[in-house]
Amino acid sequence: EEQLLESGGGLVQPGGSLRLCCAASGFTFSSYAMGWVRQAPGKGLEWVSTISGSGSGGSTYYADSVKGRFTISRDDSKNTLFMQMNSLRAEDTAVYYCAKFGAYGGSWGQGTLVTVSS
Amino acid sequence: EIVMTQSPGTLSVSPGERATLSCRASQSVSSNLAWYRQKRGQAPRLLVYGASTRATGIPARYSGSGSGTEFTLTISSLQSEDFAVYYCQQYLNWPRTFGQGTKLEIK
Repeated sequence: EEQLLESGGGLVQPGGSLRLCCAASGFTFSSYAMGWVRQAPGKGLEWVSTISGSGSGGSTYYADSVKGRFTISRDDSKNTLFMQMNSLRAEDTAVYYCAKFGAYGGSWGQGTLVTVSS
Repeated sequence: EIVMTQSPGTLSVSPGERATLSCRASQSVSSNLAWYRQKRGQAPRLLVYGASTRATGIPARYSGSGSGTEFTLTISSLQSEDFAVYYCQQYLNWPRTFGQGTKLEIK
C-alpha cells in the first residue's frame, strides 16, 4: 500500500522558515515525480511545486507565488521529499499535502498544517 | 496560466439520483484533465485522469468525459460517500492549475 506521511508543519512568524518532510513507502520512490499541493483554510487546492523522478533529471517546477522562496528536493536513498520554505508570509498559511504529483496527484498524504502568524 | 472554472459552485442532489459537474479550461488542454474528490477533513483522492479513465478502485458510477475546454464528471446513483467537494485539474502546462471546486450536497 502506498503511503505518504508529512511532517514539519507548525507555527512560524512572518519572514521565518520551515522545512517540510514527506516519508514515502509502498512504491519505488525514485521513479516518480513528487510534489506539494496546499490548501488555505476554507479554500481550494493550489499546486505549489513538483520535482521529477531522478531518472528524469530531478527537474523542479514552482508556482509563481512561491518561486524564489520555496525549494523542493528529494533524497531517494531515504524515500523522502522535502520543501524548504523561506520568507514565509501570512498567505502561505495552509495545509500542505505531499503527493505523487507529476501530471496529477495519484496518491496523497494527510497533510501538515503551516501557520504563519505573529 | 490556464484558468480552470467549475460549475456550479454548489450542487444539491438527492441520494440515488445523478449528479453532473462541469469544468471549463481557458484554453484547450486536450485530455490532460483530472478529477478529485475531497471529503471534509481528508486529503483529495484521484477519481479520473486523462479526462475519462477511472483511477484504481474508483467505482463505475463515476464517469468523466470531454476534451479540449469542456469537461464533465457524472456520478450516477449518488451514495452517502459521494457528498463532498470535487476539483478538476489540468496537466497540459505548468503551472498545474485546479478549478475552484464544486460542493455536492445532499438535497
